[in-house]
Amino acid sequence: QSVLTQPPSVSGAPGQRVTIACTGSTSNIGAGYDVHWYQQFPGTAPKLLIYGNINRPSGVPDRFSGSKSGTSASLAITGLQAEDEGDYYCQSYDSSLSGSKVFGGGTKLTVL
Amino acid sequence: QLQLQESGPGLVKPSETLSLTCTVSGGSISRSSYYWGWIRQSPGKGLEWIGSIYYSGSTYQNPSLRRRLTMSVDTSKNQFSLKLRSVTAADTAIYYCARDGATIYGFDVWGQGTTVTVSS
Repeated sequence: QSVLTQPPSVSGAPGQRVTIACTGSTSNIGAGYDVHWYQQFPGTAPKLLIYGNINRPSGVPDRFSGSKSGTSASLAITGLQAEDEGDYYCQSYDSSLSGSKVFGGGTKLTVL
Repeated sequence: QLQLQESGPGLVKPSETLSLTCTVSGGSISRSSYYWGWIRQSPGKGLEWIGSIYYSGSTYQNPSLRRRLTMSVDTSKNQFSLKLRSVTAADTAIYYCARDGATIYGFDVWGQGTTVTVSS
């Protein structure tokens, strides 16, 4: 099991809003460590989508937004588009067991 | 534009050492404030951080891999490398190198990845 927990899958119709949760604990997200989100399409490398909980790298549409509260974080996608279909991963740092960067197990987004 | 490219054998025998190199172009590996990391993805699975290295040679590594892992950097060639000893089939994965912005910025630039299969 991953240290950060994500739902295996989410789905939504074009134009809708979906959210992907990332649940951690007091040794990672709850300890104040930043959460980052990545988007990955089949056969390609992950791409940074959100960094520092809420920030979008240059070129990422403002349809993507991140938030963080307590021991959890969330990625929201509004105005869902067919090309958003792919896998999404959260990532943070965990201070237990000598410290380690950790990823969530990933969420498969299906656009209906 | 910063680019990263992984290189190394695609097939490694069990119990041997997996060796990969990441070549950085379009920018200097010696730029301060960034580490350089390795992440892997087993077939059909999620992402696992392996470790990250600073241009000075300082490293931080996944505790679960640390005893088998050696990381190094060659600033003259703008490259960094990893060696993973005593590999098993469980080490079969796509290996990515990436620029590591530490806890604040995440992994912001990725290589395309290289597939490594552990098999006799």
